[in-house]
Amino acid sequence: AQKVTQAQTEISVVEKEDVTLDCVYETRDTTYYLFWYKQPPSGELVFLIRRNSFDEQNEISGRYSWNFQKSTSSFNFTITASQVVDSAVYFCALSEALDNYGQNFVFGPGTRLSVLP
Amino acid sequence: GAVVSQHPSWVICKSGTSVKIECRSLDFQATTMFWYRQFPKQSLMLMATSNEGSKATYEQGVEKDKFLINHASLTLSTLTVTSAHPEDSSFYICSAMLGYEQYFGPGTRLTVT
Repeated sequence: AQKVTQAQTEISVVEKEDVTLDCVYETRDTTYYLFWYKQPPSGELVFLIRRNSFDEQNEISGRYSWNFQKSTSSFNFTITASQVVDSAVYFCALSEALDNYGQNFVFGPGTRLSVLP
Repeated sequence: GAVVSQHPSWVICKSGTSVKIECRSLDFQATTMFWYRQFPKQSLMLMATSNEGSKATYEQGVEKDKFLINHASLTLSTLTVTSAHPEDSSFYICSAMLGYEQYFGPGTRLTVT
């Protein structure tokens, strides 16, 4: 069965520091999607990224970047020059079906990031 | 940007009654919506994928007869918790697809007494 591990339960950094959130996944499928979501204190989820298993290119979006490495089954998320507004719980997730998001979708336990001023 | 609303934002109901939660995409049409639940201070669980005009696809372990999903239009999906029990108390969240991006509703907190 598929599994997503986020070993860091909580991380605290000081504003402007870079921080990397780890995500390690397990799946027997060769085709799958990986996701990152943000849940700020307000509770409303925010979709950050979707990556399919055939695309190992790293992605950068502003201060956010993602490193996908199939060799280590990892999909790590880095925030550069963190800001207080980045404080949230971040979830990594895995879906095993390319055609249907709804199949075998599993979330990691989440990492709570606190960015201190 | 794309906005998704949920109604109600919170609801308290008695054990044995049914509760309907609405999810609306306000400024776009969504052929696909998702329903999630989140227990306090815990991770999320995808319950089902709601497709407009067809039956929902439920994740393993989710009782389809208990959690009825209807996606009757391109802007509305509903989740009905039938014969609710205290263990159904949770935070229910919906999202709608626009392109390959997802937009989330603010969630509905259900408390069953």
